[in-house]
Amino acid sequence: KAGVTQTPRYLIKTRGQQVTLSCSPISGHRSVSWYQQTPGQGLQFLFEYFSETQRNKGNFPGRFSGRQFSNSRSEMNVSTLELGDSALYLCASSWTGSGNTEAFFGQGTRLTVV
Amino acid sequence: QKEVEQNSGPLSVPEGAIASLNCTYSDRGSQSFFWYRQYSGKSPELIMFIYSNGDKEDGRFTAQLNKASQYVSLLIRDSQPSDSATYLCAVMEYGNKLVFGAGTILRVKS
Repeated sequence: KAGVTQTPRYLIKTRGQQVTLSCSPISGHRSVSWYQQTPGQGLQFLFEYFSETQRNKGNFPGRFSGRQFSNSRSEMNVSTLELGDSALYLCASSWTGSGNTEAFFGQGTRLTVV
Repeated sequence: QKEVEQNSGPLSVPEGAIASLNCTYSDRGSQSFFWYRQYSGKSPELIMFIYSNGDKEDGRFTAQLNKASQYVSLLIRDSQPSDSATYLCAVMEYGNKLVFGAGTILRVKS
């Protein structure tokens, strides 16, 4: 059974550009959550999608957005990149939206903004 | 703001010993608790998931949950050098949102 797949694995972007990251959850999983991990702030929740609906959103500016498609794949977009957006971006896949469910992470996308 | 607290460590244990990692959380209504292992430069790997009071064992790992005292712990028996990593405790909130602690660095010395 394939795990959570994130693409691309590495990205280098210039300040002011925008970027789109992709996450394919484990087959059958309907919930996808996104996290930002930095050395200073640790793992911070960005947002979660379940059945194409955003159910929860973290404390990030509107430059961070996402969506989920009918096949449960999700994308995350960051516009007008800032140096501080350099981080490891992780998505997590869960089977249900009930809460009492395991959450599995993908390998992450390491974004560097220069 | 709901919080999850962990001792940052590093926690050093000799090979073969039991490593004990602890975590406290602020929201008494929290239901689901997770332990992840993260090697440097890698993504978090799910080690244990627990939602009922008491112990849950999986191989060398045992998670212990005490909702009355609002703490969850992870015991690693027969620690190996390959267990050296950062261990992240997380609590799940509404909408499958995981709130993470800062993580405990574990070093197992051979």
